[in-house]
Amino acid sequence: KAGVTQTPRYLIKTRGQQVTLSCSPISGHRSVSWYQQTPGQGLQFLFEYFSETQRNKGNFPGRFSGRQFSNSRSEMNVSTLELGDSALYLCASSLGVDHTEAFFGQGTRLTVV
Amino acid sequence: AQKITQTQPGMFVQEKEAVTLDCTYDTSDPSYGLFWYKQPSSGEMIFLIYQGSYDQQNATEGRYSLNFQKARKSANLVISASQLGDSAMYFCAMRELNTNAGKSTFGDGTTLTVKP
Repeated sequence: KAGVTQTPRYLIKTRGQQVTLSCSPISGHRSVSWYQQTPGQGLQFLFEYFSETQRNKGNFPGRFSGRQFSNSRSEMNVSTLELGDSALYLCASSLGVDHTEAFFGQGTRLTVV
Repeated sequence: AQKITQTQPGMFVQEKEAVTLDCTYDTSDPSYGLFWYKQPSSGEMIFLIYQGSYDQQNATEGRYSLNFQKARKSANLVISASQLGDSAMYFCAMRELNTNAGKSTFGDGTTLTVKP
């Protein structure tokens, strides 16, 4: 059974640009959640999608957005990149029933220069 | 609001010995799940163990066990017979099942170093 796949693994962007990150969940999983990990702030919840609907959103500016497709694959977009957006972005998939574990991908390491 | 506290930034343990990583939590939701993840230097978060708030027994998964003390709101991870490959960052996380669908809150993590 394939795990959670995040692409790309590494990304370097310039301030002001926008970026799109992709996450393919485990087959059969309908929930995808996104997290930002930085040395200073730790792991912070961005948003969660279940069956193409955003169920929950963290405290991030509107520059951070996401969506989920009918096949459960998800994308997150960050517009007008800032240096502080440099981070490891992790995606997790789960069945969608909250008492089950979430499985993470290897993450996308974004560097903004 | 949900909150996870891991008070040990770093821990050392001798190979083959047991180690306990501390985690306390705070929530007003009576229904919640507690998780532990391992993050090696490669960055991937690896699920280790899960404990539900209504589970009567402590969860165990191989060398991992979760010491769940509900009244004290603690969910410590015990790793038995430590191995060199256990050296990593460990995160405790919680998910409130009624009030915060889909969101996990993570602690700051504990860096475990296993000495040969």
